[in-house]
Amino acid sequence: DGGITQSPKYLFRKEGQNVTLSCEQNLNHDAMYWYRQDPGQGLRLIYYSQIVNDFQKGDIAEGYSVSREKKESFPLTVTSAQKNPTAFYLCASRGRTSGSGPDTQYFGPGTRLTVL
Amino acid sequence: AQSVAQPEDQVNVAEGNPLTVKCTYSVSGNPYLFWYVQYPNRGLQFLLKYITGDNLVKGSYGFEAEFNKSQTSFHLKKPSALVSDSALYFCAVRVLAPTDSWGKLQFGAGTQVVVTP
Repeated sequence: DGGITQSPKYLFRKEGQNVTLSCEQNLNHDAMYWYRQDPGQGLRLIYYSQIVNDFQKGDIAEGYSVSREKKESFPLTVTSAQKNPTAFYLCASRGRTSGSGPDTQYFGPGTRLTVL
Repeated sequence: AQSVAQPEDQVNVAEGNPLTVKCTYSVSGNPYLFWYVQYPNRGLQFLLKYITGDNLVKGSYGFEAEFNKSQTSFHLKKPSALVSDSALYFCAVRVLAPTDSWGKLQFGAGTQVVVTP
């Protein structure tokens, strides 16, 4: 998990509230990603960004929003429009790291969001 | 359709025995293939990848994987499993997207590995 931090580790939200998940990386990677993990479904891509001030929708973007104002930061907002937000959220970045090429995604430790 | 499949939800193996976790893929062009491992309530850890070159790829913690183009498979292997290898393992393949040069990763559903003492 080194080089990518996510906060908070656990997050509780009431229905109807927006909440923002933090993702920061100090790996100097250009590309960053947000995934959602549900039991038995693997990881599904929410949004990704290949460069600052640009991002694209992934496979399940509805009810989520992102921004990429700085290279090292890619926050994810879970809005009240997301019908079933309870899940484990993983942030990743991709780029060249010692011992590996530019094609590998590295993951943060995750944030577990629970809607009460 | 481009996809990746892990046909086994769970693999059980005794400590010291060989471990194999299966992965098959379907993509256009040359595949970029990856294996990750996840421990409970943690992020994914990169194990190894195949981009090009030797079909046998060696990775972290004694794991290796064999790329088989004719069978479109990329099975993960370890000669002698440890109890500490018990975790959730994900295979992933790069899927090209029209909107960017690199594309995105598509993950299999994951295989739970249980190693018993």
